[in-house]
Amino acid sequence: EAQVTQNPRYLITVTGKKLTVTCSQNMNHEYMSWYRQDPGLGLRQIYYSMNVEVTDKGDVPEGYKVSRKEKRNFPLILESPSPNQTSLYFCASSLVLASYEQYFGPGTRLTVT
Amino acid sequence: QKEVEQNSGPLSVPEGAIASLNCTYSDRVSQSFFWYRQYSGKSPELIMSIYSNGDKEDGRFTAQLNKASQYVSLLIRDSQPSDSATYLCAVNKAAGNKLTFGGGTRVLVKP
Repeated sequence: EAQVTQNPRYLITVTGKKLTVTCSQNMNHEYMSWYRQDPGLGLRQIYYSMNVEVTDKGDVPEGYKVSRKEKRNFPLILESPSPNQTSLYFCASSLVLASYEQYFGPGTRLTVT
Repeated sequence: QKEVEQNSGPLSVPEGAIASLNCTYSDRVSQSFFWYRQYSGKSPELIMSIYSNGDKEDGRFTAQLNKASQYVSLLIRDSQPSDSATYLCAVNKAAGNKLTFGGGTRVLVKP
């Protein structure tokens, strides 16, 4: 089954404790992206990747890191999480570029206390 | 001004009626436009894409694009309770690598 998977689905952590949210797709998509969704603010892009080893900042990259060492994986790293990073996070992928249909993962609900 | 704007709703429509959703965007060079549906607690799923001026129909859904006026709309005909969701408008700039989303319009279809 073609899909985007994310882990963990739910995470409660404390300020400053490094964490990684994994994202994997099995559709051989070149483009992958991370979004956060907050009430009233919609989906905002954090980082995106055009292909292996090619990443760039989205609209809200502060406090986040990403890497793309393999085509299928695009982990999101929070080196020192803060309470303002409490949010619902979605990973998405598309065949090529953002102008194609993006397939979203199930989401990761992160709470930072 | 937000890059992509939508009325947050809720837009309440009776079952069987037409739901009309609007979205405006600020960047004239935008070229690709999408409507995503998101059920509560779920991830967004694409329901329509449109790239040129005019109407595009897919089943009960019709997307309308007017680049001169910088708006894109979505019509849902014969609305069903299962259409109750938040609808997200998304815009991609020409040769851009970003998809910018509006805040979404919540639709409630009442039996």
